[in-house]
Amino acid sequence: KQEVTQIPAALSVPEGENLVLNCSFTDSAIYNLQWFRQDPGKGLTSLLLIQSSQREQTSGRLNASLDKSSGRSTLYIAASQPGDSATYLCAAPFSGGYNKLIFGAGTRLAVHP
Amino acid sequence: EAGVTQFPSHSVIEKGQTVTLRCDPISGHDNLYWYRRVMGKEIKFLLHFVKESKQDESGMPNNRFLAERTGGTYSTLKVQPAELEDSGVYFCASSQEKGYNEQFFGPGTRLTVL
Repeated sequence: KQEVTQIPAALSVPEGENLVLNCSFTDSAIYNLQWFRQDPGKGLTSLLLIQSSQREQTSGRLNASLDKSSGRSTLYIAASQPGDSATYLCAAPFSGGYNKLIFGAGTRLAVHP
Repeated sequence: EAGVTQFPSHSVIEKGQTVTLRCDPISGHDNLYWYRRVMGKEIKFLLHFVKESKQDESGMPNNRFLAERTGGTYSTLKVQPAELEDSGVYFCASSQEKGYNEQFFGPGTRLTVL
């Protein structure tokens, strides 16, 4: 069964801390992996997309890595800020599913001043 | 460039009524997707259009749900008749051309069935 799992479900950190969010997937035959941010009551904002041939992508203070062989992706947030507080979701299209995204349940992040 | 838009943002209806949700994708995006999140669960895929054709509708829960994309532009998702378990947030996304491209999501429509 094709599944995406995110750990931890929730995380609370003080401002300025570097942190890592984890995403694991059951099938290495993914075409890419996309990280999203969702603010309460809002839609999903695409943060980073890593193609299956890539190892990592960076955007500002965000760095996402992908290790297909181990079925893992991480989202690294440097120098966290209160404005980073949101739910972070990872999702991937698996082989045989065209571009249908399978989502994890998300990690709810709170960065406190 | 305008993003994906959805209408309405909220809808509250009685069980047995009909509701139609609308999605306008990013201009020029051939691919349009519908997803939903029901209470406490992960976001789940419903279906995928390529232009006006249904590429994959494997996630549609039952025949009370009907999606259309006339002319390959905006899409509608009709629920008729609505049931309590249809409550949730319905998201629309779009992506360019063919292949495994980045998907851009709309703000969602929150549907409450009473």
